[in-house]
Amino acid sequence: QSVLTQPPSVSGAPGQRITISCTGTSSNIGTGYVVQWYQQLPGTAPKLLIYGNINRPSGVPDRFSGSKSGTSASLAITGLQAEDEADYYCQSYDTSLNWVFGGGTKLTVL
Amino acid sequence: EVQLVESGGGLVQPGESLKLSCAASGFTFSGSAIHWVRQASGKGLEWVGRIRSEANTYATTYAASMKGRFTISRYDSKNTAYLQMNSLKTEDTAVYYCVRHVSDTLTGSYFDYWGQGTLVTVSS
Repeated sequence: QSVLTQPPSVSGAPGQRITISCTGTSSNIGTGYVVQWYQQLPGTAPKLLIYGNINRPSGVPDRFSGSKSGTSASLAITGLQAEDEADYYCQSYDTSLNWVFGGGTKLTVL
Repeated sequence: EVQLVESGGGLVQPGESLKLSCAASGFTFSGSAIHWVRQASGKGLEWVGRIRSEANTYATTYAASMKGRFTISRYDSKNTAYLQMNSLKTEDTAVYYCVRHVSDTLTGSYFDYWGQGTLVTVSS
């Protein structure tokens, strides 16, 4: 069981908006540690999508956005596209466990 | 262009050892902390451990389940990091990624570049 909790799957139709939640505790997200999001396309290595809760690396479309509140964070994808179908992982730091990941969410574009 | 290339994976028997390498290029390797993250087939990401830079005394930290069996080292003159894995168990079977760590006062710490991974299979 992962320290950070994500829904196992989400789905949406092309053009729609979806959100993926990431729930932590007072030992990680709630302490103020930043949250990252990584996108893993099938058969490839994870890629940084959001860092520092809300920041996008160069080259990541602004359809992707991150937010954080209390002990939770969320990833939102607007204007869903077929190429967004992938696994998404949140990540933060935990005072006891060091670097931690969510269990991952499989996004299906219908 | 930042690149991280892992090598050294393969098939080993339970109880045996294996040493993975991570060759880096395109950035100042000596100034960066390097982490290892693994992923079992069909499963999520699991943090393995980290080695800091020389400026931070090459400090290492490991996940509890791997502490004592796994050792991370680096050879800055070769721009290479290593993961020595001893007493391997079947549950250590996974793709192992080396990852560059960034620490910034404004945006916090995160993993910005990942290698392509190397597969380690522990089976009799």
